[in-house]
Amino acid sequence: GESVGLHLPTLSVQEGDNSIINCAYSNSASDYFIWYKQESGKGPQFIIDIRSNMDKRQGQRVTVLLNKTVKHLSLQIAATQPGDSAVYFCAEGGSQGNLIFGKGTKLSVKP
Amino acid sequence: KAGVTQTPRYLIKTRGQQVTLSCSPISGHRSVSWYQQTPGQGLQFLFEYFSETQRNKGNFPGRFSGRQFSNSRSEMNVSTLELGDSALYLCASSSTAALEQFFGPGTRLTVL
Repeated sequence: GESVGLHLPTLSVQEGDNSIINCAYSNSASDYFIWYKQESGKGPQFIIDIRSNMDKRQGQRVTVLLNKTVKHLSLQIAATQPGDSAVYFCAEGGSQGNLIFGKGTKLSVKP
Repeated sequence: KAGVTQTPRYLIKTRGQQVTLSCSPISGHRSVSWYQQTPGQGLQFLFEYFSETQRNKGNFPGRFSGRQFSNSRSEMNVSTLELGDSALYLCASSSTAALEQFFGPGTRLTVL
């Protein structure tokens, strides 16, 4: 049969604006979360991580917020640049020691 | 420090054949995980090796197997290829128990 691709949520922002990418995770017992960026033709690139004993962590131009009450994770990118255009994945640490990935969000930055 | 490398980058096979993919982790990393990425299913965990032992395994058929060598390099093998095995196969390495994984560029496998 015909292969149906994942319907990736898309976020389109103007260069210089802030971007917020959201993610819902499944396991309330997960204690580790990561955001990855994947550009076309490349493997996922580590952006930032956070453990469940924190609710906020900042990196260079990026901030991750964790809301354990509603099992929600967000990635904020300040002053978004064209080079930030990519698919962004959140991942949670699984019980098998693996990473469980979300579906991804495609970020497009308009110059 | 060199990143994770995967060979080959692209591969075309026909149904019924088998294939072996190779991954060299970041120097000093002892954990290697493999993932399959497809447009339909996204990123799915295949298995993880640590110190030459398979420590964790995802929900894939036995046609998918792997191994790790004493230098932490890893290979994965897919036997009796099916059309649905066409995917990007990603390898990730970590210095600890699968946390903070660093990915290679992937091997794009096309099964005809």
